Amino acid sequence: GDSVTQMEGPVTLSEEAFLTINCTYTATGYPSLFWYVQYPGEGLQLLLKATKADDKGSNKGFEATYRKETTSFHLEKGSVQVSDSAVYFCALSERAAGNKLTFGGGTRVLVKP
Amino acid sequence: DGGITQSPKYLFRKEGQNVTLSCEQNLNHDAMYWYRQDPGQGLRLIYYSQIVNDFQKGDIAEGYSVSREKKESFPLTVTSAQKNPTAFYLCASSRTQGNEQYFGPGTRLTVT
Repeated sequence: GDSVTQMEGPVTLSEEAFLTINCTYTATGYPSLFWYVQYPGEGLQLLLKATKADDKGSNKGFEATYRKETTSFHLEKGSVQVSDSAVYFCALSERAAGNKLTFGGGTRVLVKP
Repeated sequence: DGGITQSPKYLFRKEGQNVTLSCEQNLNHDAMYWYRQDPGQGLRLIYYSQIVNDFQKGDIAEGYSVSREKKESFPLTVTSAQKNPTAFYLCASSRTQGNEQYFGPGTRLTVT
């Protein structure tokens, strides 16, 4: 079945540091890929998405590129802020699996001033 | 404002009692979902519904039940058969199945 693997956290950074969260996936076909963010005590918000190979999703300074050859969708941000402290989830959706979302385990990011 | 509401935010129950969690959306979305989130873990799908009066089991449906009598509403009942009900429950909806999902704020259920 489909699966998503994320690097384990927590990831602790200083403000203005570069952030990378690795995400790799296993799927039988050509999934759509997503990054969601969860702030403390809240639900999830869609951060960005990519629907086909080599697509780059971007939002709020975050970027991720759909790499079919390495089955990866790593999240990056060049200069993090304290307000970026949250849990980040990588997810995929595949038509062959009924388009249900499959989530990774989440990566907690803590940005210190 | 369009969105998804879940109520209440915090819910406490005694073991052996059934409890129903509310989820309402005014986004005119066809598909709705229930997830469970445990500390330090990802989300696991409990039930989903692609259209009114239809729903399917997700990966961990045992001990839960749902109904979809109205497009806007998808309540989840946590029954006494659920062995570990204490968790954070998230409801989501999407325009159709496969589109990006929009999440509610969640309900934290504690059963003692």
